Amino acid sequence: GAVVSQHPSWVICKSGTSVKIECRSLDFQATTMFWYRQFPKQSLMLMATSNEGSKATYEQGVEKDKFLINHASLTLSTLTVTSAHPEDSSFYICSAQTGKETQYFGPGTRLLVL
Amino acid sequence: QQQVKQSPQSLIVQKGGISIINCAYENTAFDYFPWYQQFPGKGPALLIAIRPDVSEKKEGRFTISFNKSAKQFSLHIMDSQPGDSATYFCAAIFLRNTNAGKSTFGDGTTLTVKP
Repeated sequence: GAVVSQHPSWVICKSGTSVKIECRSLDFQATTMFWYRQFPKQSLMLMATSNEGSKATYEQGVEKDKFLINHASLTLSTLTVTSAHPEDSSFYICSAQTGKETQYFGPGTRLLVL
Repeated sequence: QQQVKQSPQSLIVQKGGISIINCAYENTAFDYFPWYQQFPGKGPALLIAIRPDVSEKKEGRFTISFNKSAKQFSLHIMDSQPGDSATYFCAAIFLRNTNAGKSTFGDGTTLTVKP
């Protein structure tokens, strides 16, 4: 149980295009989903916290107009990287939470912007 | 200010040995302390977690030791195996305030277990 999927697992896009990443909790309903960014050999950097039906809360320094988050249901959250640039290339990971303790992480999405 | 400090950055252990990773936290309001294991190119997976009212928790070869007064906790991997080679992250979570549920992560420890 407690499986979280992400789609796509990897994506290559041209600079200036937008990319949407989906995060789904497959066998449970997630009250909260988190979006992280991870650079090679570094820790997870929280980008935003997403609650179903409400606006996402972004961490300081994260551009909300660039990283659009939609949490349409208790099992689906999406992250859209708008007008992507090479510096947005990274490993993006979502997690889903039922209570307040345990986060279940997705397998991650590797984004490469050319 | 880094709220959770993790050490060492990297660790090499012989097969069958004990791997020990340490974390120290600043804020005494943290309520929950999980450890995650991450393999290259994958998302982190919960390994084991502890609440501050418990001094030790063991699950199989993995043990968390918790020292509330020192604000430190550590992960011990007994009989380390090559398959344990991964990056390990400690985390601390608030359960009661406005940031409830949000994790603060350590910087990670890359463990290599040599056969």
